[in-house]
Amino acid sequence: SYELTQSPSVSVSPGQTASITCSGDKLGDKYASWYQQKPGQSPVLVIYQHKKRPSGIPERFSGSTSGNTATLTISGTQALDEGDYYCQAWDSTTVVFGGGTKLTVL
Amino acid sequence: QLQLQESGPGLVKPSETLSLICTVSGASISSSSYYWGWIRQPPGKGLEWIGSIYYSGSTYYNPSLKSRVTISLDTSKNQFSLKLSSVTAADTAVYYCARHDYYGAGITQTDYWGQGTLVTVSS
Repeated sequence: SYELTQSPSVSVSPGQTASITCSGDKLGDKYASWYQQKPGQSPVLVIYQHKKRPSGIPERFSGSTSGNTATLTISGTQALDEGDYYCQAWDSTTVVFGGGTKLTVL
Repeated sequence: QLQLQESGPGLVKPSETLSLICTVSGASISSSSYYWGWIRQPPGKGLEWIGSIYYSGSTYYNPSLKSRVTISLDTSKNQFSLKLSSVTAADTAVYYCARHDYYGAGITQTDYWGQGTLVTVSS
């Protein structure tokens, strides 16, 4: 079965750039998307189709993909960006989520 | 504005069937542009896709749950539902209904989520 691998945690200082990665076989050939989830809330789509940003998502969120790795980049990270981030992709007949990355802003 | 709302029992006994309904407002589930899905999240853990359904009734299921899952549509009520049989404590989770964008060859992003409902499996 297809798997997406994320690092469990990433820490960043306010104002710095945070990079969260998601790895999977030939992920660059699939449509990767990213979700932000804060405690007690539903996930929110922040990047889709590798690099597109939904309306209402700040420009500091960006996405890229190269080979087997998709990267979510948060530029000028703010305290309110703290939370869990999940990647998602479609493989053949299944929706797959990565295990999630906890972003800490300190 | 599209809204999705989960409803159903918050407590289910082991070995019984978990049943949830998602009511969609602000859009028709009969659209050919979307799949409608269920995703769950055990307490303190990550997201797990359960399955998704197209307006035609075509379904995709998580292979690890496929033998126990049924997702169906009620277009007259603009609802879709989840049934998960033979539940155990491991099925305790927040269950989300959601909308997936569909591009013809598969599902892409999940652009709308319900608020989620906690289902506890316990006697």
